Amino acid sequence: AQKVTQAQTEISVVEKEDVTLDCVYETRDTTYYLFWYKQPPSGELVFLIRRNSFDEQNEISGRYSWNFQKSTSSFNFTITASQVVDSAVYFCALSEGGDTGKLIFGQGTTLQVKP
Amino acid sequence: ETGVTQTPRHLVMGMTNKKSLKCEQHLGHNAMYWYKQSAKKPLELMFVYNFKEQTENNSVPSRFSPECPNSSHLFLHLHTLQPEDSALYLCASSRKGGASAGASYEQYFGPGTRLTVT
Repeated sequence: AQKVTQAQTEISVVEKEDVTLDCVYETRDTTYYLFWYKQPPSGELVFLIRRNSFDEQNEISGRYSWNFQKSTSSFNFTITASQVVDSAVYFCALSEGGDTGKLIFGQGTTLQVKP
Repeated sequence: ETGVTQTPRHLVMGMTNKKSLKCEQHLGHNAMYWYKQSAKKPLELMFVYNFKEQTENNSVPSRFSPECPNSSHLFLHLHTLQPEDSALYLCASSRKGGASAGASYEQYFGPGTRLTVT
């Protein structure tokens, strides 16, 4: 069965600190997709990144970076030089291949960035 | 309007009421989804529609009735709800690559409807 685990329920950092959000997944599929979403207090989930299982290259987008390691079934998300506006709930999600549209979400990690 | 919109943003209803949630996407997508987000729980997929056809019903109670008249609009009709149905209901849309493509595309979410059942 597919499963996504975000072991960190809440993280609190001070502005400008780097922070890494962990995501571990389970799947039997060889083709799958991983996602990260941000949910600010307004409630709307904002898409951050999509990665397929055949692309293990790490990705950097501004202050955001993602480390995908199939060997450990992890897809971790790092925010460099965090800012107060980064405060939100972050969700990691997994989708099996075959375009079923089903996303399995982790429990989410609440990140609080203090000024 | 851009992206995915949902109305109403907040809804309070009694257990005997009938109400509907509306979702509209302006992204040209052909797949739409309903999710339920309760406190302390992960997002739960409720329904999936592809090209207006329901392709997924995740064991949702019949008091929730979805309707997808076209690829841009999705409704969730509610009747005789229970207090435990109080939650944030999120709508999303995505591309659909087709059965042969095998790809899974990112979903774009609306702001949600905060539902309180009294």
